Order: sequence, then structure tokens, then C-alpha cells
Amino acid sequence: AQRVTQPEKLLSVFKGAPVELKCNYSYSGSPELFWYVQYSRQRLQLLLRHISRESIKGFTADLNKGETSFHLKKPFAQEEDSAMYYCALNNQGGKLIFGQGTELSVKP
Amino acid sequence: DVKVTQSSRYLVKRTGEKVFLECVQDMDHENMFWYRQDPGLGLRLIYFSYDVKMKEKGDIPEGYSVSREKKERFSLILESASTNQTSMYLCASSTAMRGFTEAFFGQGTRLTVV
Repeated sequence: AQRVTQPEKLLSVFKGAPVELKCNYSYSGSPELFWYVQYSRQRLQLLLRHISRESIKGFTADLNKGETSFHLKKPFAQEEDSAMYYCALNNQGGKLIFGQGTELSVKP
Repeated sequence: DVKVTQSSRYLVKRTGEKVFLECVQDMDHENMFWYRQDPGLGLRLIYFSYDVKMKEKGDIPEGYSVSREKKERFSLILESASTNQTSMYLCASSTAMRGFTEAFFGQGTRLTVV
């Protein structure tokens, strides 16, 4: 079965600390994986995708097929990073499956 | 500016009513989605449409139906609303081109069933 798991509901860090939001997936084919973010009172929007291997707002994510993980990392958290983060998987049929979400709180 | 527009931000309906949630996109996207967003449960897919008049059940289709008569419009129907359908509903669209499948979301409809 296709599944995305984010084990942490809430992650609280201090400004300047490193951040890692965990994501594990279950998919038998070749997945497309994404991180989406929802800031307070804004629409859900794409943060980054594994296929482009880019860094957005200082965040990176590496696909580890052996561990079936796609963790989101940032070396130095900022207060404006506080938001809800969702990991998502796109199967070959176009269906987009999301995880449960992790709320990141960055304290001053 | 790309747009996915949901017809209502807030709705209050009575138990047993038939409820229509409308979503329109202006990007000529093939794929459209309806999700429920609940705290601790994340986004759960209700229905997915990959073309006009085509639909596929998601993880939680019970109590819901959908309609896609035109490419730009995807409607979610609650046949007989119940209190456990009180939730935030999100519509999204994406292209079918693999590698470019960024989903664009609407602003959400917060539905309360009393």
C-alpha cells in the first residue's frame, strides 16, 4: 500500500538550531516525493521536490531509497520557518498522498 | 498568477442536508483533488479526478461523491451531511506531466455541520 508517515506531530526548536523533519514512505515503484508547507492563514504550497535536488529557503531533502525516507533538513532554523509541513508522494497514476503533517515551532 | 478557487471560505450546514463544495482552476490542469484536513490526521484524499468525467476513490470516499463535467471545475458533494464531516476541505489541481506535478491548492472551505 502507498503510505507516507511523519512520526512527529510537533517539533519545537530554538532559533539557530538545526532542524530535521522526518518522512518515511511506502511505495513499490519509483516515487516522486515532495515537501509542502502551510504558513499561518496561507494556502498549502510546494516547498521542494526530490527530483530537482534544490535548496529552498535553506531547506534540503534527500531521497534515501534504502531507508525509504525523505527527511527535510535545515542547518539553522529561523522564526519565520514556523509552519505546518507535509511530506507527499505522487504515484505513477498522478494520485498525491500526504502524511499526517509536522508542526514546526521555532522559538526566539 | 495561478489560481485554484473554492466557492466558500466558511459554510455551516444542518445534519442531513445535501452540501456542494465547488472548486475551479484556471491552469488547464488534468488532475484535480479533494482532501480533508484534520489536526493530527494530515490531508486525507477523498476523491481524485484525472480527466473530465473520470474519478477515482481516495482513502476516505464514504459519504462523499464528486462531479467533473468540465475540465476546470471539480465539485464535492456530501449527500447527507453528518457532524463527523465537520472539517477543513481543500481542493487542489496538478498537471499530469510527470516531473512537473506540483499541486496548487485552494484557500480551503471550513465546513461545520450542526
